[in-house]
Amino acid sequence: NAGVMQNPRHLVRRRGQEARLRCSPMKGHSHVYWYRQLPEEGLKFMVYLQKENIIDESGMPKERFSAEFPKEGPSILRIQQVVRGDSAAYFCASSAGVNYGYTFGSGTRLTVV
Amino acid sequence: AQKITQTQPGMFVQEKEAVTLDCTYDTSDPSYGLFWYKQPSSGEMIFLIYQGSYDQQNATEGRYSLNFQKARKSANLVISASQLGDSAMYFCAMREGQGGSEKLVFGKGTKLTVNP
Repeated sequence: NAGVMQNPRHLVRRRGQEARLRCSPMKGHSHVYWYRQLPEEGLKFMVYLQKENIIDESGMPKERFSAEFPKEGPSILRIQQVVRGDSAAYFCASSAGVNYGYTFGSGTRLTVV
Repeated sequence: AQKITQTQPGMFVQEKEAVTLDCTYDTSDPSYGLFWYKQPSSGEMIFLIYQGSYDQQNATEGRYSLNFQKARKSANLVISASQLGDSAMYFCAMREGQGGSEKLVFGKGTKLTVNP
């Protein structure tokens, strides 16, 4: 029973490029959360999705960031025109729903050069 | 105002001794959940223990226990019989309410070092 799978594990992008981060939730989990961790900080909530729906995007920057969780396939966090300040670890977590626990993936470390 | 406060940036403990990591929280919601996660140097987030606001007893999971003091709004993590492998960052987190977003709010973390 594979856990939450995130790929790539490490991603290097030049300023202005696009970054696409993927997250496959645990089998049976239909709720996906994305968090960002800056160096020496705790995780900060970005967005909560269910299949084909964005439930809460209150933590997403207004520009350049988008997320989706299609009916088929992984959830994608997309960052357009990356800047150095986007360098961080991005974690995905999945859950079976309300009042269930969360399982985190191993994260994607994005470095913008 | 911060919702989760971890006042100890770093803690040191001798192997085999117990250590308490502090966490205080702020919420006006009567229904909430408190979580502790461990993040070793490899970077993954490992769930340790959960306490619901209506749970009557303090949560325990093996060597981990949660000292839940509701009136003080504190949820300290106690690790007994520390091991070298316990050296890591530890994060306290809170989920508010039932239904809705169910997002977690994290503290800034405590770096625990276990000395041999």
